[in-house]
Amino acid sequence: KAGVTQTPRYLIKTRGQQVTLSCSPISGHRSVSWYQQTPGQGLQFLFEYFSETQRNKGNFPGRFSGRQFSNSRSEMNVSTLELGDSALYLCASRVNDYGYTFGSGTRLTVV
Amino acid sequence: EDQVTQSPEALRLQEGESSSLNCSYTVSGLRGLFWYRQDPGKGPEFLFTLYSAGEEKEKERLKATLTKKESFLHITAPKPEDSATYLCAVDDFNKFYFGSGTKLNVKP
Repeated sequence: KAGVTQTPRYLIKTRGQQVTLSCSPISGHRSVSWYQQTPGQGLQFLFEYFSETQRNKGNFPGRFSGRQFSNSRSEMNVSTLELGDSALYLCASRVNDYGYTFGSGTRLTVV
Repeated sequence: EDQVTQSPEALRLQEGESSSLNCSYTVSGLRGLFWYRQDPGKGPEFLFTLYSAGEEKEKERLKATLTKKESFLHITAPKPEDSATYLCAVDDFNKFYFGSGTKLNVKP
């Protein structure tokens, strides 16, 4: 059974640019969440999608957005990148009320 | 307001030296408490789910327990390969809250 797949694994962008990250959840998982992880802040919740609808949103500026497609695949977009956006971005999926299964993450570096 | 607090932040053990990690939580309703292991540069790996006070789960050298306000992850006779960051998370029927983790280092 394939796990949660995130692409790309590594990304280097320049300040002011925008970036799109992709996540393919485990087959059958309809809930997809995104987290930002930095050494100083730990895991910070970005948003959760369920059946193409945003169900929950964390405390991030509007530059961070996401969407989910009918096949449950999800994308996260960050516009006008700042140096502080450098982080490991993790996608996780789950079915019903069980715990999340995480992908390996996308390491974003903003220079 | 912190919903999930983990202690200690870091723990150094000698191989074979047993210890416990703590996760305390302050949510009004608990659907589940989860333990994850995370290795550097990788996503968290699911270990256990606990749903009610008194519940215990075991896997190899790890044992997780749950009370009404906290959970413990007991590590018995750890090996160097147990070195990782251990994360605790709670689901309060609305959101998932993660603690900041305990970084465990087991020396041979």
